[in-house]
Amino acid sequence: QSMLTQPPSASGTPGQRVTISCSGRYSNIGSNSAYWYQQLPGTAPKLLIHSTNERPSGVPDRFSGSKSGTSASLAISGLRSEDEADYYCAAWDDSLSGPVFGGGTKVTVL
Amino acid sequence: QVQLQESGPGLVKPSETLSLTCTVSGDSIDSGGYFWTWIRQYPGKGLEWIGNIYYTGTTYYNTSLKSRISISVDMSKNQFSLRLTSVTAADTAVYYCARGGVVTTSLKFGPWGQGTLVTVSS
Repeated sequence: QSMLTQPPSASGTPGQRVTISCSGRYSNIGSNSAYWYQQLPGTAPKLLIHSTNERPSGVPDRFSGSKSGTSASLAISGLRSEDEADYYCAAWDDSLSGPVFGGGTKVTVL
Repeated sequence: QVQLQESGPGLVKPSETLSLTCTVSGDSIDSGGYFWTWIRQYPGKGLEWIGNIYYTGTTYYNTSLKSRISISVDMSKNQFSLRLTSVTAADTAVYYCARGGVVTTSLKFGPWGQGTLVTVSS
């Protein structure tokens, strides 16, 4: 059972905006930055968002992150076929003294 | 370009010890500045942080695994390693090594190795 809760799936048509939620607790998202990873089929996860809303170099600005209270969100605007992947949220947990991950959300482009 | 590569047995018997090594190229572990991390992904796709190590040998472990894991570094080979004892079928997963952040609380993991599937079965 994951410490962070994500919907198992999300979908949209090309060009649409899709939002993925990540629900946690005060000890993780409520107190620390949220991170997002994208995992394309058959590959290792790749950092998409760090420090809640910062994009590493090379990540398109179609991807954005936000946080409110104990929940974080990842938004994908202008959805493209290559965005079909699993997306995971993560945060440091002060109670566990370690990172926790969400269970992942599979995004399908219809 | 920094690259990481996991190596080790793909099949381990129950109650035995899982041993994996991560070879780093394009960066020196002893240059400091980063934690070096092990993460696993279960067949059902959930991710779990195992632990990390700094070049000084300082380690941080997942508390749920702490009694069974050991992470070490060999700077002469630019490698770091994972040992997980008393494995069960629940330890079956794809094991990834990754470069971590500059502090242990940073979850800026990357780059990652390609991952290696370890199956625990007799």
